[in-house]
Amino acid sequence: GAVVSQHPSRVICKSGTSVKIECRSLDFQATTMFWYRQFPKQSLMLMATSNEGSKATYEQGVEKDKFLINHASLTLSTLTVASAHPEDSSFYICSARGDRVGNEQFFGPGTRLTVL
Amino acid sequence: KQEVTQIPAALSVPEGENLVLNCSFTDSAIYNLQWFRQDPGKGLTSLLLIQSSQREQTSGRLNASLDKSSGRSTLYIAASQPGDSATYLCAAKTSGNTPLVFGKGTRLSVIA
Repeated sequence: GAVVSQHPSRVICKSGTSVKIECRSLDFQATTMFWYRQFPKQSLMLMATSNEGSKATYEQGVEKDKFLINHASLTLSTLTVASAHPEDSSFYICSARGDRVGNEQFFGPGTRLTVL
Repeated sequence: KQEVTQIPAALSVPEGENLVLNCSFTDSAIYNLQWFRQDPGKGLTSLLLIQSSQREQTSGRLNASLDKSSGRSTLYIAASQPGDSATYLCAAKTSGNTPLVFGKGTRLSVIA
């Protein structure tokens, strides 16, 4: 199957810091990337959908000025949590979809963000 | 809007038992349905993907079924093992371009 990587896998930061998470499709071109958030013992909730070269589409209740998504190339999308606060602490998972492998979504290993 | 529900939320069984996890979805016009496994603090492992035109998929001791008319899918695990202990997530995709919508998962514990 196709491989999606995320970096970093874990980040601990102070409140007020901005954190960038990278998501890369390693062996296919990802025309669409999805960002999910998972709170402890909860399911994955979609935050936003991004298509390469376009602005991301955010789900209701997700602040686009706080969660900045850039999908500048067919293999890279970034999520920046601006001025992170403790309530932003969560597990962030990206997912990529590419036409070459049909419409299956492939998931990254996730990034654990802890804001102190 | 697609909604996915999983029952039960948690399940504990003795080793060797066969078990069934249930998943229901509100929009029967789905594109595909996927079952994942998630270990604590880890990412997702895809187990089985069932396309809209299929009724079931099998991989080893796992069998997933899909009944679009009733809006249901089941994941059957045969001869359960302690290593099967994890959270199992069901997710449905309404069309090729839409994202997977996840249920809340079933937390499975297999007791040796």
